[in-house]
Parts: sequence; structure tokens; C-alpha cells
Amino acid sequence: EAQVTQNPRYLITVTGKKLTVTCSQNMNHEYMSWYRQDPGLGLRQIYYSMNVEVTDKGDVPEGYKVSRKEKRNFPLILESPSPNQTSLYFCASSTHRVVGTEAFFGQGTRLTVV
Amino acid sequence: GESVGLHLPTLSVQEGDNSIINCAYSNSASDYFIWYKQESGKGPQFIIDIRSNMDKRQGQRVTVLLNKTVKHLSLQIAATQPGDSAVYFCAETGAAGNKLTFGGGTRVLVKP
Repeated sequence: EAQVTQNPRYLITVTGKKLTVTCSQNMNHEYMSWYRQDPGLGLRQIYYSMNVEVTDKGDVPEGYKVSRKEKRNFPLILESPSPNQTSLYFCASSTHRVVGTEAFFGQGTRLTVV
Repeated sequence: GESVGLHLPTLSVQEGDNSIINCAYSNSASDYFIWYKQESGKGPQFIIDIRSNMDKRQGQRVTVLLNKTVKHLSLQIAATQPGDSAVYFCAETGAAGNKLTFGGGTRVLVKP
């Protein structure tokens, strides 16, 4: 089954404790991206990757890092999480050169930073 | 399920009627415009897209209309069903097609 898998689904952590949210896709997609979703602000793009070893900033990259060492995985790293990073996070992948077209999204990761 | 928005505009529709969801976009240079559906507790699901050189595109029970003059996008759902109840987002890709900017979303409630 074609899917994007995020882990964990739920995470509560403390300020400053480094964490990684994993994202994996089994569709051999070139394009992957991360979004955060907040009430009243909608979905905002954090980082994206057009292919292996190619990453770039989205609209809200501050406080986040990503890596794309292999095609199927695109982890989101929070080196020093802060409470304002409490949010619902989604990973997505697509084969289309145009981001978002025919994209598959993961189930989401609910992160709470206390 | 997860809350995706506390104060989203809401469209209440009788089952079987047609729904029209509207969206205003800001970047006149965007190449593609996309509609997503998000059900409670799930990630967004791609519905349909339209390229900027088109003004209408049809899918299964859905039609997207693009009016570049007034920067307006709409999604029409024919014969709305209970399974169509969700939050719908429009998004634009920008001129280069490598960034995605979402609209605020509209909640659709289908009444039986």
C-alpha cells in the first residue's frame, strides 16, 4: 500500500530536549516536504526536498532542520524545541515536479513542548 | 480527532445538493492551484489541481474553476455526500512550483 509514515504520532517533550520526527515513503517519490498546522494559521511549509541531498527552506524554517540522505526518508529535527513549536506536523511526498500536486500526506505528529 | 481550526468558515449543505467552496489567492505568478480535503484526525488528501493556463478542470464529482482576473479559485462538489464532510484547503505553488502556500480552509458539514 502506498503511504507516507510518520513517527511518532504523539509526542510530549520538554523545552530544549532534541527530538526527531521520522518520515518515510514507499512510493519512490523525489519530492518530500514538512508542514505544521496551527489553529487560525492553517498549514505552513517548513522545509522541502526536491531530491536526495537537496533541501530548501519553506515559509517557517526557523528552529528546524532536515536531512535527505536517502530517497525514502526525510526526518524533521528540532535541536532545541520551544513551546512555540507545539503544533501538528505533517510530512508529504510527491512524484510530481510541482510540489503538492498528487501529494500523499502522512497521518500527522502531534507535538507538545512544555 | 485532531482539531484543524477553531474558527473556520463553515458551509452547511444538504445531502445531495451541490457544494461550492471559494478561495482567494494572492500570488498571481503561481503556476498550479490545488485543492485538498482533510478529515478529522487525518492528513490532507489531494483532490484536484489546475494549472494557471486553464480556467476549468473536472474530476470525479468535483470541478475546479480558476478566475485569474480576480484571483479566485472555487471547488464545486456535485451531489454532496456525508463522506464529503471535512475541511477543504486551497493551495498555490508559487511561480517555480517548489513551495506550497495554503489558504485558511473551509469546513463543510453535510446534513442528512
